[in-house]
Amino acid sequence: DGGITQSPKYLFRKEGQNVTLSCEQNLNHDAMYWYRQDPGQGLRLIYYSQIVNDFQKGDIAEGYSVSREKKESFPLTVTSAQKNPTAFYLCASSPGTSGREYEQYFGPGTRLTVT
Amino acid sequence: QQPVQSPQAVILREGEDAVINCSSSKALYSVHWYRQKHGEAPVFLMILLKGGEQKGHDKISASFNEKKQQSSLYLTASQLSYSGTYFCGTEVPYGGSQGNLIFGKGTKLSVKP
Repeated sequence: DGGITQSPKYLFRKEGQNVTLSCEQNLNHDAMYWYRQDPGQGLRLIYYSQIVNDFQKGDIAEGYSVSREKKESFPLTVTSAQKNPTAFYLCASSPGTSGREYEQYFGPGTRLTVT
Repeated sequence: QQPVQSPQAVILREGEDAVINCSSSKALYSVHWYRQKHGEAPVFLMILLKGGEQKGHDKISASFNEKKQQSSLYLTASQLSYSGTYFCGTEVPYGGSQGNLIFGKGTKLSVKP
């Protein structure tokens, strides 16, 4: 079955440590996204990539980094510079970035807790 | 720039109707609607494109008023499975977030038996 996988589902880290969240898709989608979700805040865009080896900052990119070396993979690193990293992180993909191709498919999410 | 959704929460009895609104201060190219159940990923419901083209769910309808920069999601004869938080995502044609979706804070819908 085609879809998006994120691992792990729950992640615990100590403050000051970098942590990488995995996102893999087998939908052959060109575009991939990382969102952060906090209670009552909706979804906020961290980074997005429209094509391999290219990515752009979203609205809240500070303290995060990404790479897009393969079409199917878009890992997110939460660095120690992110001041409030505890959140629910969602990865998504879409066939394209305009019109009907912009329908986004979401992974199950990773809940990160930093103490 | 974040769209405003109303109401913030609504409680329905099974079989009742509901309308969820999404309003933007910016001109819009498209509006997307997603539903998220607690602890799960958002699921796509509908895209409304400028010019009237629509793609989406066969049991839920929506409208898009480009002039008013508003969209409404209509849930008729609600079922228990409709419970969840509904998000609208707006796509603005120009500016720093060109081509990105900006999501509202969500409307929590609870359907009771």
